[in-house]
Amino acid sequence: DTAVSQTPKYLVTQMGNDKSIKCEQNLGHDTMYWYKQDSKKFLKIMFSYNNKELIINETVPNRFSPKSPDKAHLNLHINSLELGDSAVYFCASSLGFVNSPLHFGNGTRLTVT
Amino acid sequence: GEDVEQSLFLSVREGDSSVINCTYTDSSSTYLYWYKQEPGAGLQLLTYIFSNMDMKQDQRLTVLLNKKDKHLSLRIADTQTGDSAIYFCAERAISGSARQLTFGSGTQLTVLP
Repeated sequence: DTAVSQTPKYLVTQMGNDKSIKCEQNLGHDTMYWYKQDSKKFLKIMFSYNNKELIINETVPNRFSPKSPDKAHLNLHINSLELGDSAVYFCASSLGFVNSPLHFGNGTRLTVT
Repeated sequence: GEDVEQSLFLSVREGDSSVINCTYTDSSSTYLYWYKQEPGAGLQLLTYIFSNMDMKQDQRLTVLLNKKDKHLSLRIADTQTGDSAIYFCAERAISGSARQLTFGSGTQLTVLP
């Protein structure tokens, strides 16, 4: 299946831990994104990479570090997790970064206890 | 800056038409999008419209764009219970060298039998 896939689907961890979320797309897109969806369903962009280069870096704590080893993968590493990091994190991809629509993964629900 | 607004809730009876409204502020928007999110799932692209169009129809979906008023609407004809979901309007807005996708708060559509 052609898709954006992210793992894990659920992640429960304690405050202070470090965790990673992985994302892969096989759509042949060159741009990938991380979005955060809070408990009120509000979606906010965190990062965007085009051909492995960072092009959007919103105001996000530096505990969050994206890594793009190639244009089909964009991983998100989070250090020193805090309660407020609990949310659903969505990976997305698009062809180009100007007008084409984004295709989303199914999300990773992160719960920090 | 960019801002996209939607009403939070809409209830309709099965078989009726649903109209979900959205307003945006960025006059440089080129494409505007509608996404659907079912519980526990990612965002599914429903349709999108280029800013030089007034209307786009795709089966049961009709998108209307009033660029002067910066108003976008999504009409779902013959609404079914399977249409119950959150619907997000989104626009591409400039962020540095890239156009990031900015989402509205989402409209929870409930279809009553």
